[in-house]
Amino acid sequence: DAKTTQPTSMDCAEGRAANLPCNHSTISGNEYVYWYRQIHSQGPQYIIHGLKNNETNEMASLIITEDRKSSTLILPHATLRDTAVYYCIVRSTGANNLFFGTGTRLTVIP
Amino acid sequence: GAGVSQSPRYKVAKRGQDVALRCDPISGHVSLFWYQQALGQGPEFLTYFQNEAQLDKSGLPSDRFFAERPEGSVSTLKIQRTQQEDSAVYLCATLGRGSLNTGELFFGEGSRLTVL
Repeated sequence: DAKTTQPTSMDCAEGRAANLPCNHSTISGNEYVYWYRQIHSQGPQYIIHGLKNNETNEMASLIITEDRKSSTLILPHATLRDTAVYYCIVRSTGANNLFFGTGTRLTVIP
Repeated sequence: GAGVSQSPRYKVAKRGQDVALRCDPISGHVSLFWYQQALGQGPEFLTYFQNEAQLDKSGLPSDRFFAERPEGSVSTLKIQRTQQEDSAVYLCATLGRGSLNTGELFFGEGSRLTVL
């Protein structure tokens, strides 16, 4: 599976939108972009995934560039409970392994 | 159960001891994964089961690590002759038939192993 590059850390003011970028320039046509987050002392939690089109659910929005080489996870109104490490993962259908990398540590500031 | 359950949550072992970590998956989830997470790092894949069959064990770091899932439900990760470098959080994750299309893994809270 293709690898991803994310900033090590980011801060966001409470109530503002948090925009977390991810580069996946070697992504291939059958690979999806997944986002998970891990709150301290918990297991990772699925957020959202997409292939080409932008996606939105109750937790977040995922914006994928037209060339699919990068994406942005958007938390529209960050709360203190969104403080976590966010992992951007590229995975092909049927792949058993998720390669997590080190993710982006998002700190939401009151 | 409602989620993936792992036990023990915390385990302290002396170097050279054997340990066993248990994972109770969400009922009916056929796919089960083990991950190892060192301090400050992302989770790293260890092994994968589909029902009772261990289909991929490429991530197991040495032959001291052994995983089983004899009846296709509960899984146990065993580490023999523990070493200090085995200190990590061991995460179990499962994938149900309904989430096969989404690829959504459900993780437990992990078992934190500290080897002294």
